[in-house]
Amino acid sequence: AQSVTQLDSHVSVSEGTPVLLRCNYSSSYSPSLFWYVQHPNKGLQLLLKYTSAATLVKGINGFEAEFKKSETSFHLTKPSAHMSDAAEYFCVVSSQAGTALIFGKGTTLSVSS
Amino acid sequence: AAGVIQSPRHLIKEKRETATLKCYPIPRHDTVYWYQQGPGQDPQFLISFYEKMQSDKGSIPDRFSAQQFSDYHSELNMSSLELGDSALYFCASSLGQGFQETQYFGPGTRLLVL
Repeated sequence: AQSVTQLDSHVSVSEGTPVLLRCNYSSSYSPSLFWYVQHPNKGLQLLLKYTSAATLVKGINGFEAEFKKSETSFHLTKPSAHMSDAAEYFCVVSSQAGTALIFGKGTTLSVSS
Repeated sequence: AAGVIQSPRHLIKEKRETATLKCYPIPRHDTVYWYQQGPGQDPQFLISFYEKMQSDKGSIPDRFSAQQFSDYHSELNMSSLELGDSALYFCASSLGQGFQETQYFGPGTRLLVL
């Protein structure tokens, strides 16, 4: 069965410093992977997705992620954090048939001034 | 651009009551998914529909049922509500079904069971 593990439940950074949110996946097939963001009391917004094309995926708001099959990782990065980036981030894998998404436990990103 | 619409946005019910949540997908989207997010939890997949047929089932209690109608909107019916059903319920939609398709989420319905 497929699953994702987010290695940090909470990450704290200062504004203007790099962001790294780590995610490892487990899948018996070549997966589709996503990062979604959820701001407090808001819905889920797609940041980016990987679907077996380029391994470096660029998303919205300056975020990007790199798919590394050898490491089964899909870490999310941003060169410079902004206060508005403070939110909950979910690493997500699609079921093989594409009929469901499987979410990681989430990483809370805090950004201090 | 049009997004997924969910109604109501907030709902308060008593134990053992019933609730119906509605989801209107993005125009032309034919696939709908339902997720439940408990307080401080990650979203859990409940059920999905493609072209009005159930396509997958997750951790949906037997007390819940859902369907997709001819206009592709979907309804989640919840009966004999329990305190543990208090959660944020998300609907998502996609154009087609497949592991490469992107699911677009609605704003959610916050259900509180008292």
